[in-house]
Amino acid sequence: EVQLVQSGGGFLKPGESLRLSCVLSGVTYSDAWMSWVRQAPGKGLEWLGRIKSKGSGGTIDYAAPVRGRFTISRDDSKNTLFLQMNSLKTEDTAVYYCTWVEKVPSTMSSWGQGTLVTVSS
Amino acid sequence: QSVLTQPPSASGIPGQSVTISCSGSSSNIGSNSVDWYQQFPGAAPRLLFYPNNQRASGVPDRFSGSKSGTSASLAISGLQSEDEADYYCAAWDVRLNGYVFGAGTKVTVL
Repeated sequence: EVQLVQSGGGFLKPGESLRLSCVLSGVTYSDAWMSWVRQAPGKGLEWLGRIKSKGSGGTIDYAAPVRGRFTISRDDSKNTLFLQMNSLKTEDTAVYYCTWVEKVPSTMSSWGQGTLVTVSS
Repeated sequence: QSVLTQPPSASGIPGQSVTISCSGSSSNIGSNSVDWYQQFPGAAPRLLFYPNNQRASGVPDRFSGSKSGTSASLAISGLQSEDEADYYCAAWDVRLNGYVFGAGTKVTVL
């Protein structure tokens, strides 16, 4: 069974930084393409970015609103995906989901449980 | 403003059929497969269909997807109360080099 378990999240002030983690099990993590998606309170889904497997080049693509502030990375030795968020803004308040991109380039068949990030002064 | 356009709501009585449209452009739906996700309140989304409209595990065959040109549709036949949820379409956009979602459609079973 494929599982994604997220950690991190919390309450932060504008300008602060935070790193979210996501552990994937049930598949060969090093072959996995992974993504991050967020959902602001009462709003729809917003794709943040995707990291390919190293075997596929390890390329990282970002959505325009977070490019330059957010960084996606992976540690294949720990089956872990990361989302480093810097210079947080109040509009970054959302539930953040990590996902497994089972069917490339983008079909996300498994999702983490989500973690709430609240940015407020 | 979402790149993919969905109606904000759809509704039907139990047993009826409901169709949700998703309109895009040549750079997204016109170039790539469309994914559909279902989300219940307080829960993570779940994939309904793989590319080429293959249902994901556990998805009843009451759900079907189709695509034509730059538009796609999700149909739910024999509507049931447990189908009440938000539904999102999504596709890779080659111009934006990113994955784009519709704003979501809330399905209500009357």
